[in-house]
Amino acid sequence: AQSVTQLDSQVPVFEEAPVELRCNYSSSVSVYLFWYVQYPNQGLQLLLKYLSGSTLVKGINGFEAEFNKSQTSFHLRKPSVHISDTAEYFCAVRTGTASKLTFGTGTRLQVTL
Amino acid sequence: DTGVSQDPRHKITKRGQNVTFRCDPISEHNRLYWYRQTLGQGPEFLTYFQNEAQLEKSRLLSDRFSAERPKGSFSTLEIQRTEQGDSAMYLCASSQKETQYFGPGTRLLVL
Repeated sequence: AQSVTQLDSQVPVFEEAPVELRCNYSSSVSVYLFWYVQYPNQGLQLLLKYLSGSTLVKGINGFEAEFNKSQTSFHLRKPSVHISDTAEYFCAVRTGTASKLTFGTGTRLQVTL
Repeated sequence: DTGVSQDPRHKITKRGQNVTFRCDPISEHNRLYWYRQTLGQGPEFLTYFQNEAQLEKSRLLSDRFSAERPKGSFSTLEIQRTEQGDSAMYLCASSQKETQYFGPGTRLLVL
């Protein structure tokens, strides 16, 4: 069975500071990895994904993530955050044989001036 | 590409009533998923269709829940005899390959 752990439930950060949101997964088979963002009372928007190939993936809004197979991690980073990045961020995993996504519990990113 | 749409966006009902939600996927996507998200949690998988065939159901999907996708296009999720514990955001997603795209969700409140 696959699972996802998001180690931080909340991350407060000042505007223009860098941020890293941590995600670790467990799976016995190869995986596809995703980060989604959710703004209040809205659905999930895809930020970026790792399917294969380069372990550093770039997404929308200046976010990037690095797939680390040995550490089973897929941490999300942004070098300089903006107030508008305040939202809930979800890491998700899907194995090649399964169709469903398994999500972490989410990290609330709170950006302040 | 108009994205995944869901209707209604909000639903308030009394305990014991039946409710039905609709999801319209992205037009060329043959896979459709339903998830449930409770406050402070990540979405949890409920069920999955490939075209009109329902291929997987979670144990979360009790016998009060039923989902259909009659012509392989839109899907409906019905909850019979609603309970307060059914209060949640119900999310629909569609995909053609590995990546799922989500709709805005239907927020259900059972009083």
